Amino acid sequence: AQSVAQPEDQVNVAEGNPLTVKCTYSVSGNPYLFWYVQYPNRGLQFLLKYITGDNLVKGSYGFEAEFNKSQTSFHLKKPSALVSDSALYFCAVSPNAGNNRKLIWGLGTSLAVNP
Amino acid sequence: GAGVSQSPRYKVAKRGQDVALRCDPISGHVSLFWYQQALGQGPEFLTYFQNEAQLDKSGLPSDRFFAERPEGSVSTLKIQRTQQEDSAVYLCASSLGGSRSGYEQYFGPGTRLTVT
Repeated sequence: AQSVAQPEDQVNVAEGNPLTVKCTYSVSGNPYLFWYVQYPNRGLQFLLKYITGDNLVKGSYGFEAEFNKSQTSFHLKKPSALVSDSALYFCAVSPNAGNNRKLIWGLGTSLAVNP
Repeated sequence: GAGVSQSPRYKVAKRGQDVALRCDPISGHVSLFWYQQALGQGPEFLTYFQNEAQLDKSGLPSDRFFAERPEGSVSTLKIQRTQQEDSAVYLCASSLGGSRSGYEQYFGPGTRLTVT
């Protein structure tokens, strides 16, 4: 079965420190990979994606993610965390070809950035 | 520009009632998706439209769930004879479609359905 794993329910970091939110996937083929962020009482917001090309992709708000095909991972990173980065982060994978890019989601990781 | 909008934002239904949830996608977006997000879980795919055609309904949990997008724009998700296990946030997302878009989906705020 196709699946996405986010092994940490919660990540705590101090403001100014680097952060990593982990994601691994089990999907056949060459899936597209996404990170979304969900703030309380707000919709899911797109952060970044990997389609093809350079394994390090940059996205919104200073976030970046590294695609590792051999480890089937797509970890989210930021060099210096802000308190305002505290939110729920979801990794999602789109295994299909064509326009039906339905997403398979992880369970989410709650990021808490402490001042 | 305007994002994806959903209405109502909150819906309380008594068990057995029918409900209709509306989604207004971003103008010009070809692809439209519905997801169900239970409390503490990630979203789960329900169904996919390309314009007015429902090309994938493999995620609909039962025949009580029905979705339509008759003119290729606004979509409605209908749940008949609601059950308590239908309580969740229902998310709508749209995407431009095609390789030019990059395939990212843009989400509405969701409709929180509570079945009592």
